[in-house]
Amino acid sequence: DAGVIQSPRHEVTEMGQEVTLRCKPISGHDYLFWYRQTMMRGLELLIYFNNNVPIDDSGMPEDRFSAKMPNASFSTLKIQPSEPRDSAVYFCASRETGRDTEAFFGQGTRLTVV
Amino acid sequence: AQKITQTQPGMFVQEKEAVTLDCTYDTSDQSYGLFWYKQPSSGEMIFLIYQGSYDEQNATEGRYSLNFQKARKSANLVISASQLGDSAMYFCAMRERTSGTYKYIFGTGTRLKVLA
Repeated sequence: DAGVIQSPRHEVTEMGQEVTLRCKPISGHDYLFWYRQTMMRGLELLIYFNNNVPIDDSGMPEDRFSAKMPNASFSTLKIQPSEPRDSAVYFCASRETGRDTEAFFGQGTRLTVV
Repeated sequence: AQKITQTQPGMFVQEKEAVTLDCTYDTSDQSYGLFWYKQPSSGEMIFLIYQGSYDEQNATEGRYSLNFQKARKSANLVISASQLGDSAMYFCAMRERTSGTYKYIFGTGTRLKVLA
């Protein structure tokens, strides 16, 4: 299994630009999570999906952030317009239903907004 | 109040020795899960071990074991026979179910350095 695949691995963009982060979960996993990691705030859950449906987006910081999961094998996290304080590592993770299963993380996307 | 507390920002351990990384949690749920992840300097998050709140036995995975003390609300990670490759950040996390949705909370992490 290829694991959770995120792209791009690194993204540098100018303030005000739109940024789209992509994630391919592990096949068969029905949960997908988007996390953000910063030095100041640590690891924060932004949103998660179950069977492609957003279940909890209470961690999404602002309306500038949006996430979609059009099918079971693809999700996007979009920031529009981006700001320097959005600079962070964004992780996607997936897991399958089960009380004692864990989430597998992708390699992360390091976003720098200048 | 912090839901997950890791009180050790940094730890040192001699190679081949055992080390315990502390984690305490706070929840009013009866059913919850506790996890440990390892994040090496390369940045990826690696799942290590899981403990369910109803599991009576402490979880073990190879050199990793979770010392689960439910009454004290602690879930310490024990790494036996430390190796140089164990040097990394270690995060304790909890999954609880609140108002019909899952909440995942991570601690601030402990940076472990294994000394040769």
